[in-house]
Amino acid sequence: AQKVTQAQTEISVVEKEDVTLDCVYETRDTTYYLFWYKQPPSGELVFLIRRNSFDEQNEISGRYSWNFQKSTSSFNFTITASQVVDSAVYFCALSGPNFGNEKLTFGTGTRLTIIP
Amino acid sequence: NAGVTQTPKFRVLKTGQSMTLLCAQDMNHEYMYWYRQDPGMGLRLIHYSVGEGTTAKGEVPDGYNVSRLKKQNFLLGLESAAPSQTSVYFCASSQTSGTIYNEQFFGPGTRLTVL
Repeated sequence: AQKVTQAQTEISVVEKEDVTLDCVYETRDTTYYLFWYKQPPSGELVFLIRRNSFDEQNEISGRYSWNFQKSTSSFNFTITASQVVDSAVYFCALSGPNFGNEKLTFGTGTRLTIIP
Repeated sequence: NAGVTQTPKFRVLKTGQSMTLLCAQDMNHEYMYWYRQDPGMGLRLIHYSVGEGTTAKGEVPDGYNVSRLKKQNFLLGLESAAPSQTSVYFCASSQTSGTIYNEQFFGPGTRLTVL
């Protein structure tokens, strides 16, 4: 069975601080995919990143960076120099390979509040 | 491109009433999904479809039915609504690429309240 744990329910930081959102996953698949989605106060879900299990390189996109570590089954998300617009609920998600396992398992989300 | 759209955006039902939520996508995606989002529980998969005319059960299918008569539409039905079905419902779609699992694109959500 697949499981995604986001232990941080809520985080508040002051604007311009860096913040890391934790994601720990469990799966028996050798091929799997990890995702991060953002849900701003308006409610829609916005795709941020997809990472497959064979690619452990860290990724940086502007102020966002992701640290994938298979050894600890973690896929953490860091926002550098946070801004008020980063306030949202962030979901980490996991899927198996795209044959016979189309289910995307979500974590319970981390509510991030950036204080101006 | 409108992406994924959902109708209606809000709905209030009385216990026992029925309704259908409509999801439409214009990206020619093969896969479509229905999720529900409840406080503290993230998103849970209700039903999904891997192509026109096919549907499958997800994590929490009880009390719901679905149909995918056209590739671009995925309908979610509640035959006899219960207060436990008060939730925000999201539709999503994704494209197949061989064995690669592509990201899902989500609709704006439908907020359903069952009294």
